[in-house]
Amino acid sequence: QQPVQSPQAVILREGEDAVINCSSSKALYSVHWYRQKHGEAPVFLMILLKGGEQKGHDKISASFNEKKQQSSLYLTASQLSYSGTYFCGTITDSNYQLIWGAGTKLIIKP
Amino acid sequence: EAGVAQSPRYKIIEKRQSVAFWCNPISGHATLYWYQQILGQGPKLLIQFQNNGVVDDSQLPKDRFSAERLKGVDSTLKIQPAKLEDSAVYLCASSDNGYSTNEKLFFGSGTQLSVL
Repeated sequence: QQPVQSPQAVILREGEDAVINCSSSKALYSVHWYRQKHGEAPVFLMILLKGGEQKGHDKISASFNEKKQQSSLYLTASQLSYSGTYFCGTITDSNYQLIWGAGTKLIIKP
Repeated sequence: EAGVAQSPRYKIIEKRQSVAFWCNPISGHATLYWYQQILGQGPKLLIQFQNNGVVDDSQLPKDRFSAERLKGVDSTLKIQPAKLEDSAVYLCASSDNGYSTNEKLFFGSGTQLSVL
């Protein structure tokens, strides 16, 4: 079951904040976040395990809400380099295969 | 550290032709994945190797797609014959040991296939 990402796309000015959500209809075991710039390979951001943890990576952090079966990626004071498509991948308690969402395209304007 | 190498970078073929993609993972990585990424979608796993054995090929269209990883290092993915709907980016990824599904994946830059 593919996770649902929202929004599909977002346009920000440099310095603004963004939140990208990743929701599953099944109980989550872990959530994986990657960023892919146009024409490039996806790059790892972070992995969150169930337990409601939060992780940070520079000004990019994420939370994992086990009850809501959802993870949110937070981009604070966005920089031009944050532009790209953000993918979440989920592993559920019933299927230990990483399934990817359709992605959220983030455009940062100066 | 060298990354995951893939070739060719681009390939244009006509339907019913055959095509092959090559991937060389990061040195020492036991697990290798082939993904298909259609424009505007997330990657879809085609096949996962652990060393030279297949772990998961449940989504590989075996009537036309084949993959091998001889000697547990580099890998080749083949499509024969190609269909229009095979137009996509084919990504190769590797991870350290693959015993945990919660491992960081290292992706190659992919091969963009256009089937005309």
